[in-house]
Amino acid sequence: SQKIEQNSEALNIQEGKTATLTCNYTNYSPAYLQWYRQDPGRGPVFLLLIRENEKEKRKERLKVTFDTTLKQSLFHITASQPADSATYLCALESSGGGADGLTFGKGTHLIIQP
Amino acid sequence: GAVVSQHPSWVICKSGTSVKIECRSLDFQATTMFWYRQFPKQSLMLMATSNEGSKATYEQGVEKDKFLINHASLTLSTLTVTSAHPEDSSFYICSASLGPKRDTQYFGPGTRLTVL
Repeated sequence: SQKIEQNSEALNIQEGKTATLTCNYTNYSPAYLQWYRQDPGRGPVFLLLIRENEKEKRKERLKVTFDTTLKQSLFHITASQPADSATYLCALESSGGGADGLTFGKGTHLIIQP
Repeated sequence: GAVVSQHPSWVICKSGTSVKIECRSLDFQATTMFWYRQFPKQSLMLMATSNEGSKATYEQGVEKDKFLINHASLTLSTLTVTSAHPEDSSFYICSASLGPKRDTQYFGPGTRLTVL
C-alpha cells in the first residue's frame, strides 16, 4: 500500500541556519508532490507544488527538490526564522477511491530557536 | 485570494446528536471540495470528495450514512456527522481546489468537534 514517511521527530534548528525536511514515499508514482505548513489548531497552508518532471523549485526562502528515482522530496528553508516554526506536511495525490484528494504524511515539527 | 472558511470553528455536542459543519469558498467557485479528518499528532486523512450537484465519493472505511456530505452550490459544501459518538471527536478540515487541474488545494481553518 502507499506510504509517506516524514521525520517524525521534532527538528530543532538555530535561527539563520538552513532547515532541511525529508519526505519519502513508497508504492507511488505521483505526478506531483506538495508541501504545506500547518500551525497548531489550524488548517494546512499551501507552500509549494513540484511536478514529476521538475527537479527543483524555489519560492523566496523555500526550496523543494523531487527525486522520482529515490522517491524522495527535500524541503529547505534558508535563513530560518523563529516564525518558521510549525509542522510541515508533505502530500501526494491520492491513488485510492477519492478522486483528486491528497494523501498526507504525518508532518515534521520544525522548531527554530532564536 | 483563494480563501476557504469553515463554520463553526469548534463545537461540543452530546453523544447521539448530529452536527453540521459548513465549508465555503469565499472568493472563488469550487467545483470540487474535499473533507479531511485529523486526529491528534496524526496526518490528515481524506474522508470524501464532494462535487457540486452530485453525490460525494467516499474513501474506503468512511461510512457515507454517518458522514453526510452536501455540495449544493459552487461555494458551499456541508458535512453532517450523524449520531455522533466520542470516537468521532476530531479536527475536521475542508479544502477546495482552484481551477480545472485540481492539484492545488486551499484549506479551511478547520472545525474542532468534541463529542461528550
